Amino acid sequence: DSGVTQTPKHLITATGQRVTLRCSPRSGDLSVYWYQQSLDQGLQFLIQYYNGEERAKGNILERFSAQQFPDLHSELNLSSLELGDSALYFCASSKNARQGEGYGYTFGSGTRLTVV
Amino acid sequence: AQTVTQSQPEMSVQEAETVTLSCTYDTSENNYYLFWYKQPPSRQMILVIRQEAYKQQNATENRFSVNFQKAAKSFSLKISDSQLGDTAMYFCAFMKYYEKLTFGTGTRLTIIP
Repeated sequence: DSGVTQTPKHLITATGQRVTLRCSPRSGDLSVYWYQQSLDQGLQFLIQYYNGEERAKGNILERFSAQQFPDLHSELNLSSLELGDSALYFCASSKNARQGEGYGYTFGSGTRLTVV
Repeated sequence: AQTVTQSQPEMSVQEAETVTLSCTYDTSENNYYLFWYKQPPSRQMILVIRQEAYKQQNATENRFSVNFQKAAKSFSLKISDSQLGDTAMYFCAFMKYYEKLTFGTGTRLTIIP
């Protein structure tokens, strides 16, 4: 157990639907990062939150949004889902309070989203 | 923008042998961090080793070591005495200070019994 909790582990939904992925960071970590990994691809950065505020944004689609709550858990909302959104979505949190302290991230086990 | 290149999509090696995975990166920064992550079939992302760019000494973690060549912007991973449990995708990653991790496309490593 890495300490980063993602729910649900698996999600199957139809095109056009909306889903919410949840992430609880490791205790004491203030930064949360969301990554998307399509089949046999590398990890693409979506968005980062630090202590409740958006800190950095990657190639995140307008149909996707995220937020980080006062208890530091984060949610990634995916709407108007398309077949191409099927992927593994990872949440990660960073070890130190300051972003980018260079210790790498601790990843959750991911949520596998299948859009049918 | 920083880029990370892993030129070996797939590799295989006999158990107990040594294997080296290649990684190059492009950056104009002087201070940064480099990482190797392992993704076994379970799909969990596991940190294998990290290197701080300002340190000349190559990082080592048990059977895993790196060859960091800053001028050449090269960061290879050597796995000694390879084991079946080393079978996984390996991702090289770059982090500029206070920014996100940027990953390469990965190398699929298979350890043959």
